[in-house]
Amino acid sequence: DAGVTQSPTHLIKTRGQHVTLRCSPISGHKSVSWYQQVLGQGPQFIFQYYEKEERGRGNFPDRFSARQFPNYSSELNVNALLLGDSALYLCASKPPDREYEQYFGPGTRLTVT
Amino acid sequence: DQQVKQNSPSLSVQEGRISILNCDYTNSMFDYFLWYKKYPAEGPTFLISISSIKDKNEDGRFTVFLNKSAKHLSLHIVPSQPGDSAVYFCAASRFSGNTPLVFGKGTRLSVIA
Repeated sequence: DAGVTQSPTHLIKTRGQHVTLRCSPISGHKSVSWYQQVLGQGPQFIFQYYEKEERGRGNFPDRFSARQFPNYSSELNVNALLLGDSALYLCASKPPDREYEQYFGPGTRLTVT
Repeated sequence: DQQVKQNSPSLSVQEGRISILNCDYTNSMFDYFLWYKKYPAEGPTFLISISSIKDKNEDGRFTVFLNKSAKHLSLHIVPSQPGDSAVYFCAASRFSGNTPLVFGKGTRLSVIA
């Protein structure tokens, strides 16, 4: 079975630009969450979506937004990039029968210069 | 304030010996705890979990112990193998199924052959 997939794997952006990251959950998983992992830290929760609705939002500025599509894939958008947005962005999906267990994708490494 | 703390950034263990990774939490509302393993360039992989109604959970070489009164949990790996070398994250969640995971900063385990 395919795991959580994310694209792109890496990207480099300049301060002030906009970025869109994409995620496809495991088949049958309807919940998608986004996490940001800065070097030396654990993943920090950004958003959770379930059935296309936002179910939770972490302590991130409004420059961060997300959405979930009818096929349960998701996009994370970040506007007006700052140097501090450089991080590994992880997407995770949850199975409906084991709500606590999140399965993570390999992440997108974003570098802002 | 960090609600989940992993106070040891790194740990080195000889192959075949026991590895013990520790985690403390401050939020008494957490009632489900998970350990994830992360290799470089990969997303975190779910390892083992424990509900607050238990004090121990085993899965092969991995055992997690929970001490609720001390707000402390530990992951034991016996016997340790070189392939266990990775960063281990402790994570906690609240009982609703939809609360996001709160991660510690991780402990880098090196198993020396």
